[in-house]
Amino acid sequence: EDQVTQSPEALRLQEGESSSLNCSYTVSGLRGLFWYRQDPGKGPEFLFTLYSAGEEKEKERLKATLTKKESFLHITAPKPEDSATYLCAVQALDSSYKLIFGSGTRLLVRP
Amino acid sequence: NAGVTQTPKFQVLKTGQSMTLQCAQDMNHNSMYWYRQDPGMGLRLIYYSASEGTTDKGEVPNGYNVSRLNKREFSLRLESAAPSQTSVYFCASSETGRERPQHFGDGTRLSIL
Repeated sequence: EDQVTQSPEALRLQEGESSSLNCSYTVSGLRGLFWYRQDPGKGPEFLFTLYSAGEEKEKERLKATLTKKESFLHITAPKPEDSATYLCAVQALDSSYKLIFGSGTRLLVRP
Repeated sequence: NAGVTQTPKFQVLKTGQSMTLQCAQDMNHNSMYWYRQDPGMGLRLIYYSASEGTTDKGEVPNGYNVSRLNKREFSLRLESAAPSQTSVYFCASSETGRERPQHFGDGTRLSIL
């Protein structure tokens, strides 16, 4: 069964304290792995798509990496405005547009 | 540039009532989706429409119906609401191509008493 597990469930950081969020996945064949950011009361906002192991994408303080079993979202020198829930989703090769989402990591960055 | 617009933003229903959630996108996307999000669980696909005129069931379709009214609009209907359908509902759209990212609206928060 295709599955996505995100850890930790919640993470508290001090401003400037770098860390990583993990997304472990089990899928028959990976078409793509997606990272989203979700603010309270809002819909998920697309961040990155990764397609194959070894691929990396960067946007400001965020960097996403992908291996054959997991993806990491690295946050370098975070700021309070980076506080949000980060969602990971995978799409299998044999899926019909279906995304399988993890339950997310709630990130709080304190000033 | 509104992106994906959902109405209403909030709704309270009584068990057995019906209602339709509306979704419209202005990005000229072919594919549209309906998800529900429950605490501690990931987003789960209810229905999707790969293109105008087609709809398909997702992971949790029971109790719901959809209509792809035109390329822009995709509605979700609850015929007889149940407390288990209390959730936050998100509509999304994407360009054609299974690996294209989905873009989400801000959701409808639905409570069923």
